[in-house]
Amino acid sequence: SAVISQKPSRDICQRGTSLTIQCQVDSQVTMMFWYRQQPGQSLTLIATANQGSEATYESGFVIDKFPISRPNLTFSTLTVSNMSPEDSSIYLCSVLTGEQYFGPGTRLTVT
Amino acid sequence: TQLLEQSPQFLSIQEGENLTVYCNSSSVFSSLQWYRQEPGEGPVLLVTVVTGGEVKKLKRLTFQFGDARKDSSLHITAAQPGDTGLYLCAGEPNSGYALNFGKGTSLLVTP
Repeated sequence: SAVISQKPSRDICQRGTSLTIQCQVDSQVTMMFWYRQQPGQSLTLIATANQGSEATYESGFVIDKFPISRPNLTFSTLTVSNMSPEDSSIYLCSVLTGEQYFGPGTRLTVT
Repeated sequence: TQLLEQSPQFLSIQEGENLTVYCNSSSVFSSLQWYRQEPGEGPVLLVTVVTGGEVKKLKRLTFQFGDARKDSSLHITAAQPGDTGLYLCAGEPNSGYALNFGKGTSLLVTP
């Protein structure tokens, strides 16, 4: 298993600003994922972030809007850029260590 | 993306009742996971089923993977208020690692 923490746990941001979400894992993992969960909805994969390579984005998500860093095997960041109210969601990081485990999420509200 | 359909979407029952949640797809998955998510938390892995026809039990929860590995069910016996939450099924495709999530079943168990 893996223990995952995220910062911040929640934030309220103004339209047009950017927020960087941090994800810290208690062990070294190769595969890390970022998901979005809009209110009342299921999880949608934003991108796969493997250490040592560029993040791979899913259809509908682009690097300019959601830049990702993966500097080492225990840490990653996701930035939500030039935010609009439609970006209000829970953002979750996840790691694959045999099975897939999730962080507690970052609840973002854009006003 | 391989779609997973969950039913029912919402379920409200009284303590002590039994229930079944279904997860169906037209695609074959190499494995299927069930998660439970409580408000303000990330999804927590309950079980992974891998073999067609496999049945796994976790206390009052029984999970079954369809013979063709396209569908799964979760049965809860004698539901308790602590079972309240969002139940998500997620399939691991035959190629790739990122999970495909169903839309979830929101369960409310009242005393």
